[in-house]
Amino acid sequence: DSGVTQTPKHLITATGQRVTLRCSPRSGDLSVYWYQQSLDQGLQFLIQYYNGEERAKGNILERFSAQQFPDLHSELNLSSLELGDSALYFCASRGGRANEQFFGPGTRLTVL
Amino acid sequence: AQSVTQPDIHITVSEGASLELRCNYSYGATPYLFWYVQSPGQGLQLLLKYFSGDTLVQGIKGFEAEFKRSQSSFNLRKPSVHWSDAAEYFCAVGGDNNDMRFGAGTRLTVKP
Repeated sequence: DSGVTQTPKHLITATGQRVTLRCSPRSGDLSVYWYQQSLDQGLQFLIQYYNGEERAKGNILERFSAQQFPDLHSELNLSSLELGDSALYFCASRGGRANEQFFGPGTRLTVL
Repeated sequence: AQSVTQPDIHITVSEGASLELRCNYSYGATPYLFWYVQSPGQGLQLLLKYFSGDTLVQGIKGFEAEFKRSQSSFNLRKPSVHWSDAAEYFCAVGGDNNDMRFGAGTRLTVKP
């Protein structure tokens, strides 16, 4: 158990819909990272937050957005969903002596 | 810019045989280096990390990796593979900054 929690575990929705994925980092970790993992694209970094502020952006679509709240949990919002958005979405928090990332179990999103 | 290359997309070894997974990195300063393992449908679990000191690092599940600065490599090894080691393995490089880059992953199949 990494200490990072993600909800929900599975999500099935239809094209055009909007969903929200939630992540709680390890106790004491201020950084949260979001990743998308699909069969054809591999593990793609989406966005990072540090103590409530956006710090880095990766391959995140304009239809996607995220935020980090004062209690440090983070939400990833995916809107106008397309079939190609079906993937595993991971959250990670950062800490430790080597600033390693600790991954949550992921949310599997299926868009029908 | 930092980057990670895992030259082998898929490796098959027999149970009990030795294993070496290759990782090459590009990084402008002293890197922090990581190996993660992902079982199907699961999150990424940290196997081991290097950030200073002894260049041969021991990890969980009997894995080790050696940092070779001259070759910009951080190869993962295990002397005797078990069927439960079948998974996807990711090498990653990071530092004191916010960024961490992951390789594309190597899928390990273990033959009985």
